[in-house]
Amino acid sequence: TQLLEQSPQFLSIQEGENLTVYCNSSSVFSSLQWYRQEPGEGPVLLVTVVTGGEVKKLKRLTFQFGDARKDSSLHITAAQPGDTGLYLCAEITGNQFYFGTGTSLTVIP
Amino acid sequence: NAGVTQTPKFQVLKTGQSMTLQCAQDMNHNSMYWYRQDPGMGLRLIYYSASEGTTDKGEVPNGYNVSRLNKREFSLRLESAAPSQTSVYFCASNQGRSHTQYFGPGTRLTVL
Repeated sequence: TQLLEQSPQFLSIQEGENLTVYCNSSSVFSSLQWYRQEPGEGPVLLVTVVTGGEVKKLKRLTFQFGDARKDSSLHITAAQPGDTGLYLCAEITGNQFYFGTGTSLTVIP
Repeated sequence: NAGVTQTPKFQVLKTGQSMTLQCAQDMNHNSMYWYRQDPGMGLRLIYYSASEGTTDKGEVPNGYNVSRLNKREFSLRLESAAPSQTSVYFCASNQGRSHTQYFGPGTRLTVL
C-alpha cells in the first residue's frame, strides 16, 4: 500500500486567486486520479493521468504528473466559489484504489 | 439512470448492535467497493468485489462482512458495532478496465 501525502491539508483563498495542491508518494505511481468531493456527496472523478510528464487541462484546472511518476499537482486558475470542496488523489493498483488524505479547499466570494 | 444508490443515508446504533448497509448500481458494472471516510484519513477501502461471486479484503476489513448478492447489489454488514466504526461509508462501482469509479452519496453512521 502506497502512502499518498497531499498538501496543503486545508486551503482558504479569495475568489479569483490561483492555487496549487500536491500529491506525493515515496513510490512510483502506476496511474493517478484526481477527484473532487463536495460536502455531503461522494467523490467525482476529475481526471486520470498515466504517463510521466503528462499535463491535462479541464477548463480552469491543470493537472500535472511528475516525470518520475511519484508526484502530481492540481493547479486552479481564478478560483470560484464552486471550486470549494475536498480534492483527493488516488492511485490505482490492480483492482484497488488508494486515496490520499485530501486537500480541503474553501473559495471565499 | 440512478447510478449508485445507498441506504440508509443516516443511522445511529448502540455499541453491539448489528446492521447492514445496502448499495446498488444500475450501470452493469462488474466491480464494486466499500470505503469508509474519516476526518484526516481520506477514503480507506474496506472490501471490494471484482466480479459477481467474488469478494476480497481491502485495507481495513476487521469488523465488517460483505455480500455480493448479484451483479447490482453489494452489501456491508456490521455484526457488532463499535464506536470506532463511526464514519461515513461510501459504495462505489467501476467497469472492468475503465478506471472511472462512480460513488454513491454515502451513509453517515454513528455508533454510541
